[in-house]
Amino acid sequence: QKEVEQDPGPLSVPEGAIVSLNCTYSNSAFQYFMWYRQYSRKGPELLMYTYSSGNKEDGRFTAQVDKSSKYISLFIRDSQPSDSATYLCAMSADDKIIFGKGTRLHILP
Amino acid sequence: DGGITQSPKYLFRKEGQNVTLSCEQNLNHDAMYWYRQDPGQGLRLIYYSQIVNDFQKGDIAEGYSVSREKKESFPLTVTSAQKNPTAFYLCASTGILNQPQHFGDGTRLSIL
Repeated sequence: QKEVEQDPGPLSVPEGAIVSLNCTYSNSAFQYFMWYRQYSRKGPELLMYTYSSGNKEDGRFTAQVDKSSKYISLFIRDSQPSDSATYLCAMSADDKIIFGKGTRLHILP
Repeated sequence: DGGITQSPKYLFRKEGQNVTLSCEQNLNHDAMYWYRQDPGQGLRLIYYSQIVNDFQKGDIAEGYSVSREKKESFPLTVTSAQKNPTAFYLCASTGILNQPQHFGDGTRLSIL
């Protein structure tokens, strides 16, 4: 089993819809849980991160961590065409950080 | 504005040539990283450095070399021993080892 699994997509949704992006993981030692957004030909941009479990909200974005299920989610409300990008989850413990392979998201105008 | 600057944005390598990718940060971060990104393979760690004059191999270090003479700078050399160097190279940094990393905008390396 891979340490972090993320569906590569592509995921296509109409503008204004709620988007749900997810990752599963196997290492219960992970402490930081991160979401990055990457536009084409650009570096990943840190969107949100949480330490340990729980929810965090920032504008249209909500990150959730369920450590009992080893499952993290990123929700995007009122999705916009500018949200079209690849979203990478990442998790870290001690001196190790593991990235998911990314989900390509297309918001259709 | 604080950030990570990678240069050049595009780089071409001839057969048998070594090329060096630059990474500079003004975030006062101790730890710096180099990743390679290929389509469908996600980010793979090449080298990382926790402090000046110290660095460790990542998962795919063969054919690459690094130096860390200054806190702000972590250049990556792609040597002629790297037989498949065409990829998008990303530099990242963080203040504390397992905390979220911040990335530069990458260098795309291609073979002539």
